Amino acid sequence: GQNIDQPTEMTATEGAIVQINCTYQTSGFNGLFWYQQHAGEAPTFLSYNVLDGLEEKGRFSSFLSRSKGYSYLLLKELQMKDSASYLCAVRGSRSNDYKLSFGAGTTVTVRA
Amino acid sequence: ETGVTQTPRHLVMGMTNKKSLKCEQHLGHNAMYWYKQSAKKPLELMFVYSLEERVENNSVPSRFSPECPNSSHLFLHLHTLQPEDSALYLCASSQETGRDTQYFGPGTRLTVL
Repeated sequence: GQNIDQPTEMTATEGAIVQINCTYQTSGFNGLFWYQQHAGEAPTFLSYNVLDGLEEKGRFSSFLSRSKGYSYLLLKELQMKDSASYLCAVRGSRSNDYKLSFGAGTTVTVRA
Repeated sequence: ETGVTQTPRHLVMGMTNKKSLKCEQHLGHNAMYWYKQSAKKPLELMFVYSLEERVENNSVPSRFSPECPNSSHLFLHLHTLQPEDSALYLCASSQETGRDTQYFGPGTRLTVL
C-alpha cells in the first residue's frame, strides 16, 4: 500500500517563499504529482517528478528524492491567488495498475 | 478550463432518493475515474474505466453504481445513500490508465440528509 504524509496547513506572507514537504512509503513507485486545488474547484496539475532532482516551472518548483521517499513543492514570490490546497500524489507500479494515491493535502494561506 | 465538466455542482438528497452524477470530458481521453474527497482526508479512488470497460472497483458499496456509455461520459448512480457518503465527488480523465496525467473536473458537492 501507499502512505503519504504532508503538513495540514501552512501560512506565509505575500511575496515570500513556502516549501511544502511530502514523504511517502510505497510498495512501488512510478512518479510523484503535485496538484493545486482552490476551494470548490477541480484539482489542477502542477508538476510531475519521476527522476531525482528539481523540476522548475516559473514560480513553482518540485523536488524528488526517491531514495528518501521525499518530495517538496516550492512556491516562490507568493501571491494571494496561491492560497489553495496542494495535493501530493504518488503513482504506484505496474503491479498496482499505476494507481494514484493521494496525501490529505496542505492548505496554504497567503497573507498580505 | 472546461476539459472535464461535472453536473450538478451541488446536490442535496435524502437517504431514500435516487440521483445520478454526470461527468463529461472533452479531451479525447480513453480513461475516466471517480474519486471521493472527504474533508481533511486523501482522495479515495472509487472506480476506473478504460475504453468504457470497468477496470477497477475499489471496494465501493453497491449503493454507488457507475456507468460509462462511451469514452466521453461517465455517470455515478446513487441510491439509498448514508449521511457519511456526504463528500465532494470528483471525476477525472487521462489519455490511458496508468502512466498518464489525470485531469479533474470541479466535482459535485453531495450532501445526504
